[in-house]
Amino acid sequence: GIQVEQSPPDLILQEGANSTLRCNFSDSVNNLQWFHQNPWGQLINLFYIPSGTKQNGRLSATTVATERYSLLYISSSQTTDSGVYFCAPDSGNTGKLIFGQGTTLQVKP
Amino acid sequence: NAGVTQTPKFQVLKTGQSMTLQCAQDMNHEYMSWYRQDPGMGLRLIHYSVGAGITDQGEVPNGYNVSRSTTEDFPLRLLSAAPSQTSVYFCASRLFSTGGEQYFGPGTRLTVT
Repeated sequence: GIQVEQSPPDLILQEGANSTLRCNFSDSVNNLQWFHQNPWGQLINLFYIPSGTKQNGRLSATTVATERYSLLYISSSQTTDSGVYFCAPDSGNTGKLIFGQGTTLQVKP
Repeated sequence: NAGVTQTPKFQVLKTGQSMTLQCAQDMNHEYMSWYRQDPGMGLRLIHYSVGAGITDQGEVPNGYNVSRSTTEDFPLRLLSAAPSQTSVYFCASRLFSTGGEQYFGPGTRLTVT
């Protein structure tokens, strides 16, 4: 099955800094989603982005499906951005999302 | 819309007991799935369903059963609980198997002693 690798595994930022999280996947995909798991464990969908670039406030994401990677940009980070960021591509018609191990982000005030 | 709801939020079981984790969604989504999350393991797919009456296995199906008698409900049954099933369980739904954003429930924290 598809393999998903996220980097970096851990990231510590000072409030106001920018960051880029990367997701590599081993096979062609139909769709890819980014999720944020907050410190209380809730999983929130950030982007549904099979290809191209999308922006939502301080966050944006780019997926280059032909090169099998996706990037999540966080600008002017805030303490509320802390948590774990997962990318999850799917492949085939089953719709199964395969999750990476995540990037754990800590934003310090 | 309540979105995806799960009950209970917390549960403690003894080894060998059985129980059902409930999941419901009110968004008329065709696709529903169950994941477990363990420290350092990310989220792993247990079972999924592409519509009422259709279910299939994910990455880690052993020890779990599912059924999908209605579009709204997708319960997960633990047949004979084992300590290895101690985990946080998330139910999720999306519009179709081939597309749509996936939404997660709040999770059930299960401890098996």
